[in-house]
Amino acid sequence: GAVVSQHPSRVICKSGTSVKIECRSLDFQATTMFWYRQFPKQSLMLMATSNEGSKATYEQGVEKDKFLINHASLTLSTLTVTSAHPEDSSFYICSAWNGGNTEAFFGQGTRLTVV
Amino acid sequence: ILNVEQSPQSLHVQEGDSTNFTCSFPSSNFYALHWYRWETAKSPEALFVMTLNGDEKKKGRISATLNTKEGYSYLYIKGSQPEDSATYLCASYRLMDTGRRALTFGSGTRLQVQP
Repeated sequence: GAVVSQHPSRVICKSGTSVKIECRSLDFQATTMFWYRQFPKQSLMLMATSNEGSKATYEQGVEKDKFLINHASLTLSTLTVTSAHPEDSSFYICSAWNGGNTEAFFGQGTRLTVV
Repeated sequence: ILNVEQSPQSLHVQEGDSTNFTCSFPSSNFYALHWYRWETAKSPEALFVMTLNGDEKKKGRISATLNTKEGYSYLYIKGSQPEDSATYLCASYRLMDTGRRALTFGSGTRLQVQP
């Protein structure tokens, strides 16, 4: 199957700093990238959907100014957690998708800890 | 039903047992139903993408059925093995009330197969 590379896999940052998470589709062009967040013992919560070359669409309750998503090319999307706080500590995972009735391919996830 | 719901939340079975899980999803504006297997420390991997009412797909000992009119899908595992231990996620690809198409996930069923 297709490969989606997500970096970093783990990051610890100080409160107030920003963290960028990259999601790359290595062998196919992803027209859509999904960003999810998973709280302990809970499901994958969709944060936003981004299509290449256009602004991301955020789900209700997700602050667009705090979680900046860029999808500048068909192979790269980034999620930047700005002015991170301890409550932003979570597991973030991206998914690359070519639309239609095809499967989505996931990155390895990023464990963010804000201290 | 408004969200994607999965049951049971967790399941413990003995090696050799057959088991099944349920995924319920909104039946309106439906495009596709995805099943993924998520093993610990790995990325979720697609098992099936199903689109047609009455569709049944099979991969080895795992099979799935789809009822788009009533909004449910079943995943079956025949003769469970310890390597089947994972979280099984379903996701609904549909047109949302906002006019967007999105792939939204259920909370997953965590399967533990005891040798």
